[in-house]
Amino acid sequence: ETGVTQSPTHLIKTRGQQVTLRCSSQSGHNTVSWYQQALGQGPQFIFQYYREEENGRGNFPPRFSGLQFPNYSSELNVNALELDDSALYLCASSAGWVSGANVLTFGAGSRLTVL
Amino acid sequence: QQQVKQSPQSLIVQKGGISIINCAYENTAFDYFPWYQQFPGKGPALLIAIRPDVSEKKEGRFTISFNKSAKQFSLHIMDSQPGDSATYFCAANNAGNMLTFGGGTRLMVKP
Repeated sequence: ETGVTQSPTHLIKTRGQQVTLRCSSQSGHNTVSWYQQALGQGPQFIFQYYREEENGRGNFPPRFSGLQFPNYSSELNVNALELDDSALYLCASSAGWVSGANVLTFGAGSRLTVL
Repeated sequence: QQQVKQSPQSLIVQKGGISIINCAYENTAFDYFPWYQQFPGKGPALLIAIRPDVSEKKEGRFTISFNKSAKQFSLHIMDSQPGDSATYFCAANNAGNMLTFGGGTRLMVKP
């Protein structure tokens, strides 16, 4: 069991550019969600994927998009980067509801800096 | 409607003391309330969770107290240890499996 791995760990982009962040789910997990964590704040839900379909979205504009692949890995794409997009992007995977609990396993995140 | 308010923002406790973190919510559709622990450079990790039909849940030194009528819940860490120093987040789950997190509490346990 390798847990959730994210890449890259750090990256710097300039305003207007595009970025792709990647996530490998924990073995046996079929659901992936992405969160944005600004410095000193709690994570904010971006969206969730189940069986390669988006099945939930938070209050983020369409320039935030994603994909889930048949092996349950996932990508987060952000177009037309803005300064406020600077944050830690967290990927979490889960096996769904088991025994009344939905346990999300988070990766260590990708820290994006937009200049 | 989707907010979860967490307090205090920071907390300093002596080793062996009790750490108490409080959260309040507005949306009565929330159906699952987990607490996450985050160390620097790491992602959040699930600590303990409760459903609204239970008033208290204890796992080792960690206890969640839940008051459904007041729409409040709290985390108690008994016999706090320096290794407990981390940022703690309460969260609430809605029917769409979207977690709404509180703003976090930075806990420091002094030896």
